[in-house]
Amino acid sequence: EAGVTQFPSHSVIEKGQTVTLRCDPISGHDNLYWYRRVMGKEIKFLLHFVKESKQDESGMPNNRFLAERTGGTYSTLKVQPAELEDSGVYFCASSQVQNRVDEKLFFGSGTQLSVL
Amino acid sequence: AQSVTQPDIHITVSEGASLELRCNYSYGATPYLFWYVQSPGQGLQLLLKYFSGDTLVQGIKGFEAEFKRSQSSFNLRKPSVHWSDAAEYFCAVVVTTSGTYKYIFGTGTRLKVLA
Repeated sequence: EAGVTQFPSHSVIEKGQTVTLRCDPISGHDNLYWYRRVMGKEIKFLLHFVKESKQDESGMPNNRFLAERTGGTYSTLKVQPAELEDSGVYFCASSQVQNRVDEKLFFGSGTQLSVL
Repeated sequence: AQSVTQPDIHITVSEGASLELRCNYSYGATPYLFWYVQSPGQGLQLLLKYFSGDTLVQGIKGFEAEFKRSQSSFNLRKPSVHWSDAAEYFCAVVVTTSGTYKYIFGTGTRLKVLA
């Protein structure tokens, strides 16, 4: 069974440019989460999709970040325009069971974003 | 506010030595606690979790953790560390917000294992 796949694994861009991160969850998983870890800090929640709907986007930093999940399969996270403080590792996770505390999350290996 | 504190950013132990990684949480309700590990180039992998019942929980790879409500702690332990345990370890608590669950992670502890 394929795990959660994230692409690219690394991205280096200049301030002001646009970057799009992609996450392919495990097939059949309705829940998809985005998390971010800024260097040296904790991993922070960004948002949660249930199928194609945004269930909770309270962690999105600002309107430069746009997440989509068309068709309820893969998801993209676009940063436009990117700023220096957006640098970090962006993790995607998926789960099958909806809204249960014991749901098991499967994490991707992350996208390392560096904004210069 | 809910939070998780991992006071040790880096820990170095010799192979075969015992290990304890500290985790303290701040959460008003019953905590649901987790430990995850991230090896280089890999995603976060669940080591173990605590929801209720026995306060000493066993996980994969020989790890265990003990929940101590009086100390608001959930420390991770392993009696004998292997070189393959070198990784970054994250403690997390799940909180409920507006009817949904989300993880609050600590800052992580990077473990180095000496041969």
